[in-house]
Amino acid sequence: AQTVTQSQPEMSVQEAETVTLSCTYDTSESDYYLFWYKQPPSRQMILVIRQEAYKQQNATENRFSVNFQKAAKSFSLKISDSQLGDAAMYFCAMETGGGADGLTFGKGTHLIIQP
Amino acid sequence: EAQVTQNPRYLITVTGKKLTVTCSQNMNHEYMSWYRQDPGLGLRQIYYSMNVEVTDKGDVPEGYKVSRKEKRNFPLILESPSPNQTSLYFCASSSTSGSNEQFFGPGTRLTVL
Repeated sequence: AQTVTQSQPEMSVQEAETVTLSCTYDTSESDYYLFWYKQPPSRQMILVIRQEAYKQQNATENRFSVNFQKAAKSFSLKISDSQLGDAAMYFCAMETGGGADGLTFGKGTHLIIQP
Repeated sequence: EAQVTQNPRYLITVTGKKLTVTCSQNMNHEYMSWYRQDPGLGLRQIYYSMNVEVTDKGDVPEGYKVSRKEKRNFPLILESPSPNQTSLYFCASSSTSGSNEQFFGPGTRLTVL
């Protein structure tokens, strides 16, 4: 069975600072994808960034980047220059089975941005 | 505009009264799924479908039914809702080729009294 663990229920960061959200996962599959989703108060699920397990290079999307440590099964999200609009729930998720198994989610991290 | 739509967005009902939450996508995706979101538990998969007439159970299927008669639609049916099915429900779809990115609907907030 696949598991995704987010050990930080809540994180707080000052505006313009950098914050890192942690995620670890477990799977016996060799082919999988990892995702970070953002859920603002509107409840919409927004894809922030994705990482293919076979790629060694860490994915980046503007101010968002990941630290993918395959051997350690770790997939952390770094948000640089935090903005008030980054305040949200962040979910780490994993997809295996070529997509057939759907997404396995962590329990989420509530990110607070202090002005 | 490429999107996943769900209806209704909000629903309050009573125990035992059958209900259906509709889900439709306009991206010609093969794969569709339903998730429920509960505080402190993240999102958990209820049912999924790889294509028309092909459905399978996810992690929490008890008390739910689905059907996939058309490629674009994937309704979630609660035959006899109970209070423990009060939750936020998301429908999602993705292509089985390419990026595997799942596109989510806006969510349906269901309250069962």
